[in-house]
Amino acid sequence: QLVLTQSPSASASLGASVKLTCTLSSGHSSYAIAWHQQQPEKGPRYLMKLNSDGSHSKGDGIPDRFSGSSSGAERYLTISSLQSEDEADYYCQTWGTAFGGGTKLTVL
Amino acid sequence: QVQLQESGPGLVKPSQTLSLTCTVSGGSISSGDYYWSWIRQPPGKGLEWIGYIYYSGSTYYNPSLKSRVTISVDTSKNQFSLKLSSVTAADTAVYYCATRGDYYDSSGYYSWGQGTLVTVSS
Repeated sequence: QLVLTQSPSASASLGASVKLTCTLSSGHSSYAIAWHQQQPEKGPRYLMKLNSDGSHSKGDGIPDRFSGSSSGAERYLTISSLQSEDEADYYCQTWGTAFGGGTKLTVL
Repeated sequence: QVQLQESGPGLVKPSQTLSLTCTVSGGSISSGDYYWSWIRQPPGKGLEWIGYIYYSGSTYYNPSLKSRVTISVDTSKNQFSLKLSSVTAADTAVYYCATRGDYYDSSGYYSWGQGTLVTVSS
């Protein structure tokens, strides 16, 4: 069964970088995923499609501060030069189906 | 740029059927370029994928909801719809429609609707 695992929470300081992780369950390590951001009281916003080889294509208007990478069954979202508006929930999703549980990012 | 707008009743009684429609603009469902999805989010909880449909009518549902879900498409109206039967309070959620490109499409296109809150209560 396909399962995506995310840490429930993460924190980092304003101006710093943070790397969020999404782990694909056994047997699904080649899957592409999507990363989405959901700011408080808002709908989700698509960030990027991330392939197993680390190549990624971002949605319209997504800043260069957001990047993706992959290693085996792990998919990463790195946010650099953290800003206050980056405080949000971040969800990974296999391309079109199951979601991870989400990571709540706090910007200190 | 495809835009999506959900519509339907905001209140549904327990045991009844929840029905929502997503109207697509800026693109054609019948183009075959995208897949059309429903996703929900209960209050204070994470996102849950419900299912998706292709313009041809082929569907794929979340196994946990499959017995109660029907997604259909009306290409003449450029709309797709969700029906969820035998609802309970646990089905109270914000319901989103969304669209995405094919798995092998390198452009990685994805777009969300703004969402609509559906409350299940008598």
